[in-house]
Amino acid sequence: DVKVTQSSRYLVKRTGEKVFLECVQDMDHENMFWYRQDPGLGLRLIYFSYDVKMKEKGDIPEGYSVSREKKERFSLILESASTNQTSMYLCASNHPRQADEKLFFGSGTQLSVL
Amino acid sequence: QQQVKQSPQSLIVQKGGISIINCAYENTAFDYFPWYQQFPGKGPALLIAIRPDVSEKKEGRFTISFNKSAKQFSLHIMDSQPGDSATYFCAAGGRAGNQFYFGTGTSLTVIP
Repeated sequence: DVKVTQSSRYLVKRTGEKVFLECVQDMDHENMFWYRQDPGLGLRLIYFSYDVKMKEKGDIPEGYSVSREKKERFSLILESASTNQTSMYLCASNHPRQADEKLFFGSGTQLSVL
Repeated sequence: QQQVKQSPQSLIVQKGGISIINCAYENTAFDYFPWYQQFPGKGPALLIAIRPDVSEKKEGRFTISFNKSAKQFSLHIMDSQPGDSATYFCAAGGRAGNQFYFGTGTSLTVIP
């Protein structure tokens, strides 16, 4: 079974800190995604990557950056964390040519910025 | 602009009843319409999905109804069970953009 692993389940950071959220998938998927989940807003795409070193902005990229140096790993970076970035962050991956385009999600990282 | 609109926000159903969640989309280029189920503390997991060339897809107790002309699709859960209590997200997207747009979610509670 495909596994998407997010490095931390819970994180507490201070305003202004640089924050790294790590995601690793073990099924050789080309596409990887970062979403944030907020009550009443659903899942909103921050960034996605369709290949190593390639990235595309999603709907809410402001305040975030990403890094994909290896195919299996996709990192989300908050350059200077702010309280409005307190949220649940979900990483996902899929293969662009699989028949059902199914997204495989990690369990999420609940980030609190104080 | 919300690409996918989902309703209701929450739903309470008696055990054995039918749960219905509705979604509407804007972009006619979308060609893949999945539903994801999320339990507390877990990431969403694909439940069922449909492409616009069919009007209905059924898998066990779960059915997607798709109305291309109205740009709407819905999830029907027959014989709802307490174990179905979860948050459900509809989504829309497709190969063209590699991007999926999610609805705002529906919290379903099935009362025993």
